[in-house]
Amino acid sequence: GAVVSQHPSWVICKSGTSVKIECRSLDFQATTMFWYRQFPKQSLMLMATSNEGSKATYEQGVEKDKFLINHASLTLSTLTVTSAHPEDSSFYICSESGRASRNEQFFGPGTRLTVL
Amino acid sequence: RKEVEQDPGPFNVPEGATVAFNCTYSNSASQSFFWYRQDCRKEPKLLMSVYSSGNEDGRFTAQLNRASQYISLLIRDSKLSDSATYLCVVNVNDYKLSFGAGTTVTVRA
Repeated sequence: GAVVSQHPSWVICKSGTSVKIECRSLDFQATTMFWYRQFPKQSLMLMATSNEGSKATYEQGVEKDKFLINHASLTLSTLTVTSAHPEDSSFYICSESGRASRNEQFFGPGTRLTVL
Repeated sequence: RKEVEQDPGPFNVPEGATVAFNCTYSNSASQSFFWYRQDCRKEPKLLMSVYSSGNEDGRFTAQLNRASQYISLLIRDSKLSDSATYLCVVNVNDYKLSFGAGTTVTVRA
């Protein structure tokens, strides 16, 4: 069964609003979780590494003030897209690692965000 | 240069056929290699890890060539359910993964 859940699975919002996406690790204490974004027909791009109890590490080109990440517990990381605009419309996927060997990551089902 | 490059395809094959494709990676320090499968509008799911000696999982065979920095995936006796996008994934250090854009395979009846 699924080991990582995400909520919501899809969301449509107006431009300028903020959207929060939750990523939960099931039956595993994930100290590190990852947030990716995937545009149509493109590869997953890592946005940031979420570390429990400390600040997230953002990849180059990702605005940390726009994409707020909170990893307050070992089973929950949240991504908030602040003041969303149409260009933020994408498929957002979280993942966790450490549960298995060889750096395998387990992905959540993803959240499809559409900003009107 | 992208860290991981794949032929996007699509590879359109009949049921029962064999299909194979490669990906190349740029960082010679890469440590772990994977093939993930992604269905339309779904999350990626691990298909198989790729080991230096090559490995097989049922109808799927993966090969790694470190000298030439490429990874291959071969699917034998293709099934309709094999239709998907196959992502080549490389890990350099820590837990960070680099993804290829995917190779699309369509198996037709």
